[in-house]
Amino acid sequence: DQQVKQNSPSLSVQEGRISILNCDYTNSMFDYFLWYKKYPAEGPTFLISISSIKDKNEDGRFTVFLNKSAKHLSLHIVPSQPGDSAVYFCAASARNNDMRFGAGTRLTVKP
Amino acid sequence: DSGVTQTPKHLITATGQRVTLRCSPRSGDLSVYWYQQSLDQGLQFLIQYYNGEERAKGNILERFSAQQFPDLHSELNLSSLELGDSALYFCASSVGLGAEQFFGPGTRLTVL
Repeated sequence: DQQVKQNSPSLSVQEGRISILNCDYTNSMFDYFLWYKKYPAEGPTFLISISSIKDKNEDGRFTVFLNKSAKHLSLHIVPSQPGDSAVYFCAASARNNDMRFGAGTRLTVKP
Repeated sequence: DSGVTQTPKHLITATGQRVTLRCSPRSGDLSVYWYQQSLDQGLQFLIQYYNGEERAKGNILERFSAQQFPDLHSELNLSSLELGDSALYFCASSVGLGAEQFFGPGTRLTVL
């Protein structure tokens, strides 16, 4: 069941510009959302999260926006750097339940 | 370093064989999760254990099984292996249910 969807398998942006990665979910019980970053041959690493009581969370160059009515969240990276090139996974969980991951979006930041 | 360890790092075996993948969670984490990633696909949730008990099952084949031991380490057993089982298998751990997960480096399984 595809409860978390990342409809763009890949995204390419120029260094210094904004990267916007999108994620949609279907389960209205989800109340905690996360973004993970994955480099080749490594496990995913936690990047940033947001709970359903907020609509924005910022950490340096990374900002996550949550639109609960649209069941949509996005990750903004500004400015994008070549080292940000990786696969980004969106994940969501409901209280005390397992986490569901999207299929991932491969971000390429070109110098 | 996430604190989650997985062994072995690489595993090459033949069809029909059985293998065991091992995971040690971060100190203090009670939940262990197993995921499969095939050919740059997304993370497919297989199974979750919490404090020794099976907590949730995802897309895990009947040929696969797992357990979490009293010391909280976990093993994923894959039997009657098929070519299509070749993938990266990740283990993750978290303090509690629905909390941020920390991933191990993965085990790359190649079935020839």
